[in-house]
Parts: sequence; structure tokens; C-alpha cells
Amino acid sequence: EAQVTQNPRYLITVTGKKLTVTCSQNMNHEYMSWYRQDPGLGLRQIYYSMNVEVTDKGDVPEGYKVSRKEKRNFPLILESPSPNQTSLYFCASSLWGAPYNEQFFGPGTRLTVL
Amino acid sequence: GIQVEQSPPDLILQEGANSTLRCNFSDSVNNLQWFHQNPWGQLINLFYIPSGTKQNGRLSATTVATERYSLLYISSSQTTDSGVYFCAVGGETSGSRLTFGEGTQLTVNP
Repeated sequence: EAQVTQNPRYLITVTGKKLTVTCSQNMNHEYMSWYRQDPGLGLRQIYYSMNVEVTDKGDVPEGYKVSRKEKRNFPLILESPSPNQTSLYFCASSLWGAPYNEQFFGPGTRLTVL
Repeated sequence: GIQVEQSPPDLILQEGANSTLRCNFSDSVNNLQWFHQNPWGQLINLFYIPSGTKQNGRLSATTVATERYSLLYISSSQTTDSGVYFCAVGGETSGSRLTFGEGTQLTVNP
């Protein structure tokens, strides 16, 4: 089944404790992206990657890191999480370029930073 | 960047009713998607529709790219249709980045 998977789905952690949220897709997509969703602010892009070893900042990259060492994986790293990073996170992937650029989203990771 | 406006922000229906959700956008797009966010927070792809008309069961969508709007039609609504409906667009100059609207909160009562 074609899908985007994220792990963990739920995480409660404390300020400053490094964490990684994994994202994997099995559709051979070049493009991958991370979004966060917050009440009143909607969904905003954090980072994206157009292919292996190619990453760039989205709208809200502060406090996050990413890497793209393999085409299928795009982990999101919070080196020193803070309470303002409490959010619902989504990973997405697509082929690159219209008309093939429909994005598919993972199930989401609900993160709480205490 | 591209602006996306959805209307109405909230909609309450009785089961069986029909509804139309609207998405206006401010620039040319090469991607437009409609999503349903269910009560568990998952984003479900409904339509990929940068132009034209598509139908899937009780749902259909139309995008008029030249006039910069898209419509999502829900017919014979069911309680399971409840949730938030998002329109997201990708501008022709923004690569594959999607800009989301604020969503329409739909409640379908039995």
C-alpha cells in the first residue's frame, strides 16, 4: 500500500530533551516536506526536500533540523525542544512538478513539550 | 506569497443536506488539493484538482483556475462527513510548497 508513515504518533517530552520524528514514504517521491498545525495558525511548512541531500527552509524552520540521506526517509529533529513546539506535525511527499505533484500526508505526530 | 481564503468558516447541517464550500486564491496555481481532517487529526486526500471538475461518490469539486476559485460539493451529507475541510494550493512560483486555507468546520447532525 502506498503510504507515508510517521513515528511516533504521540509523544510527550520535556524541555531540552532531543528528539527525532521519523517519516518514510514508499512511493519513490522526490519531494518531502514537514508541516506543523497550530490552532488559529493553520498548517505551516517547516522544511522541505526536493531530493536526496537537498533540503531548504520553509516558513517556520527555527528550532528544527532535517536530513535527507535516503530518498524514502526525511526525519525531523528537535535538538532542544521548547513548549512552543508543542504541535501536530505532518510529513508529506509528492513527485516533483505539475501535474504529478499531488501531496500525500502521513497520519500526524502529536507532540507535547512540557 | 499566495493567499488562500475559505468560506464559510463554520457550517452546520442536518444529515441528508447538501453543501458547497469555497476556496479563493490570489495567484496562478499548479496544485490545488482538498483535504478532510477527521476528528483524529488525520488529513485525508479528497481531490487533486488544479483545474477542471472531478467527482468521487457524494463529493465533487470544481476549480476555475482563470477566476481563481475552487468549490467542493458535498451531497446527502452524513455524520461521518463532520470535520474540517481544507483547501491547499501550490503557486506556480513556489515549487511544491502548499499554502493552506484556514479551513471550514463542518458539523453534520443526525
